[in-house]
Amino acid sequence: AQSVTQPDIHITVSEGASLELRCNYSYGATPYLFWYVQSPGQGLQLLLKYFSGDTLVQGIKGFEAEFKRSQSSFNLRKPSVHWSDAAEYFCATPEDSSYKLIFGSGTRLLVRP
Amino acid sequence: GAVVSQHPSRVICKSGTSVKIECRSLDFQATTMFWYRQFPKQSLMLMATSNEGSKATYEQGVEKDKFLINHASLTLSTLTVTSAHPEDSSFYICSARAGGSYEQYFGPGTRLTVT
Repeated sequence: AQSVTQPDIHITVSEGASLELRCNYSYGATPYLFWYVQSPGQGLQLLLKYFSGDTLVQGIKGFEAEFKRSQSSFNLRKPSVHWSDAAEYFCATPEDSSYKLIFGSGTRLLVRP
Repeated sequence: GAVVSQHPSRVICKSGTSVKIECRSLDFQATTMFWYRQFPKQSLMLMATSNEGSKATYEQGVEKDKFLINHASLTLSTLTVTSAHPEDSSFYICSARAGGSYEQYFGPGTRLTVT
């Protein structure tokens, strides 16, 4: 069965520092992968997606993610974090043979001033 | 594009009453809508999947008679929590996807408090 793992529950970075949030997937074929961000009390916003092709994908708000098949990873990165990036981040993949999304447990990003 | 709205954003109701939450796709036709529940500091829990004009498919453990879902048009789905109890208090989020797409676009959520 497919699964998505986000190993880090919390990550704290200083404003202006770089960021990498980890996501590992378990699936045989090339999966579709998404990163979503959720601010407190809000719904989820799609940051970026990977379907095929270029393994480095650019998203909104200066985020990017790299698909690495050899490591079964789809890590989210940002070169310089802003205080407004503090939020919960979810990695997700569609369930096989359906359109339901399988979410990771989420990573809460805290930004130090 | 791909905007999903939810109404109301916040609702307080008394135990035993019913409350309806609307989810609308504003600028696309939503072949499928999903309803999630989210507990504090947790990931989303899928409650049900609804396709326009069809009965909703509920996830295991979700009471279909308690959480009534209607997807009457390609832009509107409603979730009615019937005979609400305090344990139904939660954050409810809907999402929608267009035909042929795996991407889901999420509404801003509804905070339900049952007193």
